[in-house]
Order: sequence, then C-alpha cells, then structure tokens
Amino acid sequence: SQQGEEDPQALSIQEGENATMNCSYKTSINNLQWYRQNSGRGLVHLILIRSNEREKHSGRLRVTLDTSKKSSSLLITASRAADTASYFCATARYGGSNYKLTFGKGTLLTVNP
Amino acid sequence: DTEVTQTPKHLVMGMTNKKSLKCEQHMGHRAMYWYKQKAKKPPELMFVYSYEKLSINESVPSRFSPECPNSSLLNLHLHALQPEDSALYLCASSQGIVTDTQYFGPGTRLTVL
Repeated sequence: SQQGEEDPQALSIQEGENATMNCSYKTSINNLQWYRQNSGRGLVHLILIRSNEREKHSGRLRVTLDTSKKSSSLLITASRAADTASYFCATARYGGSNYKLTFGKGTLLTVNP
Repeated sequence: DTEVTQTPKHLVMGMTNKKSLKCEQHMGHRAMYWYKQKAKKPPELMFVYSYEKLSINESVPSRFSPECPNSSLLNLHLHALQPEDSALYLCASSQGIVTDTQYFGPGTRLTVL
C-alpha cells in the first residue's frame, strides 16, 4: 500500500537555520502534498506538487519530487519559532472509483528561539 | 470565507451515549471528508462525500454514521463508542473529489469514558 514515510521523525534547529524533511512512498501517485499541524489542531495545507513536476516554491518553502525514487523533500528556509509544528506529507492517488489521500507519520519540527 | 468550522471543540461521552459532530464549509466545495487522528499519529481517512453522496467508507465500524444534509454540512453521528475511539476527529473539504487541496477544520477532540 502507498504511504508517505517522513524522516526524520523529529528535528530540532535554531531560529534562522534551514529545515529539511524527507518523504518516501511506495506506489505511483497523482500528486504529493505537504501539510502542517500545530499541537493537535487542524492541518494547514502548505504546498501541492503534481507527479509531472520536479520542484515548487512558495515563500520560504521549497518542495522537490523525484518520482523515480518515490521521494519528496520539504525545505523551510530561515526558520522561525512559529514554524514549530508537525509536518506531514500526503500522497494522493486516484484511479477509477478508488481515491486515497494517505498521510505519512510526520516530522515534528522544533525551532528554538 | 476559506474556513471549515467544527463543533463542538471538545466532547466527552459515555459508551451508551449518542452524540453528533458537526462540520460546515461555505467555500462551495463539493467533497467533504472525515478523518480520525490518534495522538502522535497521522490522520486516517474515514469517509468521503462527493456531491452529498457517500463515496468512500474506509471500513469504519457502524457505530460511526456519517450524514451529509446538504453541500455545506457534514455530520458524524456517534453511538455506543468504545474508549479506543477517543481521538481528534477532523473534517476537511475540497473543491472536487480526488486530489485537490483539502482544507481542514480545527477538529473535535473526543473522549469516550
């Protein structure tokens, strides 16, 4: 079954440093999405990258996708204390009547002031 | 209005109670979702509604009963729950089914005694 697996499981950095999180998955996908969750609340969509795209930027976020390696990375530049949260990748696949957005286990990012 | 609202924020119920969780969106989205999230775990898809019809049921026990009264509302009726059903229940919506960006509500934290 397809499922995103993030690594590292936890990451602690100083404010101003860059944070890189990786996601691997097992089957073909339509797109891959990254979400942020603050302290057990709702998820916030960060960025969506389609299977035919290799890189996308949004503000301080940069996402890459390598479909041959079935992996993606999320880079947050110039991190801030407010970036402290759990980050999940989610793989999306649709075929016929089957649809699934499957979340990975997440990376807990702590940005120390 | 880009918000998904959920009520109540917190719910404590006994195993013999009947309660309902409510979700509302006014973005004109035609797909709505229920997810269950246990502590320090990723969200797990429970149900998908597309154009007010149940599209996907991820083998959820019958003690959870979804309902979509109209395109803006999604309910989750709870009956005879077990303590292991305690979790954060997240509602989400998207423009279309499948692989669009999903917008999440803040969740209802459910405790079953």
